[in-house]
Amino acid sequence: DTGVSQNPRHKITKRGQNVTFRCDPISEHNRLYWYRQTLGQGPEFLTYFQNEAQLEKSRLLSDRFSAERPKGSFSTLEIQRTEQGDSAMYLCASRTDSAGELFFGEGSRLTVL
Amino acid sequence: AQTVTQSQPEMSVQEAETVTLSCTYDTSESDYYLFWYKQPPSRQMILVIRQEAYKQQNATENRFSVNFQKAAKSFSLKISDSQLGDAAMYFCASQGGSEKLVFGKGTKLTVNP
Repeated sequence: DTGVSQNPRHKITKRGQNVTFRCDPISEHNRLYWYRQTLGQGPEFLTYFQNEAQLEKSRLLSDRFSAERPKGSFSTLEIQRTEQGDSAMYLCASRTDSAGELFFGEGSRLTVL
Repeated sequence: AQTVTQSQPEMSVQEAETVTLSCTYDTSESDYYLFWYKQPPSRQMILVIRQEAYKQQNATENRFSVNFQKAAKSFSLKISDSQLGDAAMYFCASQGGSEKLVFGKGTKLTVNP
């Protein structure tokens, strides 16, 4: 399967714990995006990478959130000191430089107890 | 700031019939793109159709077409000959001035056999 891969698919954690999600984009895609989707809502933009550079961040991305994309390949999204309000589906997407289609992964669902 | 509004939380259609999903948007950008994405249950989001705002001709992809009314800031999706596999959440989205996609809250489409 050469699609966007996200791991883990599901994560249950206790409030205050740290969690990390990984996204492996389609191999030739140099642009990578993170979105958050809560129940009954559309996805909300979190951040965007072009290669290894993080070029855009949403105000939604508080200090507890950090994203990296070392070497411009896979990306990680870490949430520190999780809160119940962080419970959501975290979606990763990728595309090429040309104005092409955005390909989404199946998401990583976070439940904070 | 961009906003996208989907006023129909749920819609239903009989198999083989036609259904239209509504979307209105607001943007201050002169150059922007509009999208419809489909999110089947527990599956990844996929692009259904895309419209460049500078193009007057409405986009069409097989059974899917849009009615783009730029002055009214309206972007509806028409699904012809509905199939059971069309059942999903449908999200309208806009992009302009940055890499960020702004999504509506979605419309849940049920296809009745």
